Amino acid sequence: EAQVTQNPRYLITVTGKKLTVTCSQNMNHEYMSWYRQDPGLGLRQIYYSMNVEVTDKGDVPEGYKVSRKEKRNFPLILESPSPNQTSLYFCASVGQLNEAFFGQGTRLTVV
Amino acid sequence: QKEVEQDPGPLSVPEGAIVSLNCTYSNSAFQYFMWYRQYSRKGPELLMYTYSSGNKEDGRFTAQVDKSSKYISLFIRDSQPSDSATYLCAMNSGDMRFGAGTRLTVKP
Repeated sequence: EAQVTQNPRYLITVTGKKLTVTCSQNMNHEYMSWYRQDPGLGLRQIYYSMNVEVTDKGDVPEGYKVSRKEKRNFPLILESPSPNQTSLYFCASVGQLNEAFFGQGTRLTVV
Repeated sequence: QKEVEQDPGPLSVPEGAIVSLNCTYSNSAFQYFMWYRQYSRKGPELLMYTYSSGNKEDGRFTAQVDKSSKYISLFIRDSQPSDSATYLCAMNSGDMRFGAGTRLTVKP
């Protein structure tokens, strides 16, 4: 089954404690992306990757890092999380028709 | 002005009603237009996909794109309680942009 898998689904952490959210896709897509979803603001792109070792900033990259060492994985790293990064995060991979396939989401709370 | 505008609702309709959801956009470079459905606590799932202008029908769902007016619509016929979800429009020209989403409730 074609899917995008994120882990963990829920995470509560404290300010400043580094964390990583993993994302994996099994569709052999080159393009992957991270979004955050906040009430009234919709989906905003954090970072994207057009292929292995190629990453670029989206609309809201501050406070986040990503890496793309292999095609299927695209982890999101928060080096020093802050409360304003409390949000619902989605990983997506994009197919050849420019359609996005999303993971189930990670609800992050930073206290 | 946001690149994609979508009325967040909420929208509440009785079962069997025809639902109309809309988005406007400002970037004339958009070529690919999509509608996603997002159930509570789930990721968005692709519902309809349209390339350039025109209509596309899939069962009870019809997507319309009017590039001259920069306006896209999603119609749901004979709406069901299972259609209750948030609907997001999306557009892509190499850079994907999403609307904020419209929350729809279909009451039995």
